[in-house]
Amino acid sequence: QKEVEQNSGPLSVPEGAIASLNCTYSDRGSQSFFWYRQYSGKSPELIMFIYSNGDKEDGRFTAQLNKASQYVSLLIRDSQPSDSATYLCAVNLGDSGAGSYQLTFGKGTKLSVIP
Amino acid sequence: DGGITQSPKYLFRKEGQNVTLSCEQNLNHDAMYWYRQDPGQGLRLIYYSQIVNDFQKGDIAEGYSVSREKKESFPLTVTSAQKNPTAFYLCASSIEATSGVTYEQYFGPGTRLTVT
Repeated sequence: QKEVEQNSGPLSVPEGAIASLNCTYSDRGSQSFFWYRQYSGKSPELIMFIYSNGDKEDGRFTAQLNKASQYVSLLIRDSQPSDSATYLCAVNLGDSGAGSYQLTFGKGTKLSVIP
Repeated sequence: DGGITQSPKYLFRKEGQNVTLSCEQNLNHDAMYWYRQDPGQGLRLIYYSQIVNDFQKGDIAEGYSVSREKKESFPLTVTSAQKNPTAFYLCASSIEATSGVTYEQYFGPGTRLTVT
């Protein structure tokens, strides 16, 4: 079963704290990993993508990828109330065939930043 | 102003009627996708297209049909055969995947379909 797993939350953090969102995936062959933010009633918005092991930083956001352990995480530093949303992890699961470019989405983690 | 447009934003239909959802992009992307999202659920892939005049079924294609006659357009028809059509429908596009690398997908604003 090809899966992308996320804790549904809600994850509550105080304003200014670091929010840590985690995602595990089932396929060792996965090469592309994405984090999307989705506000209630809106469509997903791309935050970051990462292809290589290690950390990738963009402003207050850091994506961390560990292919050996099959997890990818998103850290949000100095969390703001405007960061309150559902965060979706997306991974390309599958072999190197025709389906390898499809993305499988987790169900998302709901983040609440408390002022 | 590049992006993906979907229309209408809200759509109401009676059970038994077919309905077509529009998706247009001016990002010059080759690949386009249709997803469905139900409350508290992740996105599920309905259909995708890598190039004009070609498309493939996703995980939940039953009861849906698509066409890709132009690079910019990828309309989705929800047929009367779809048993639970009420959902939030999202269209996305991306650069075509190469060498096993999947590129980021950009989403339109979505169409919320209600069938009664």
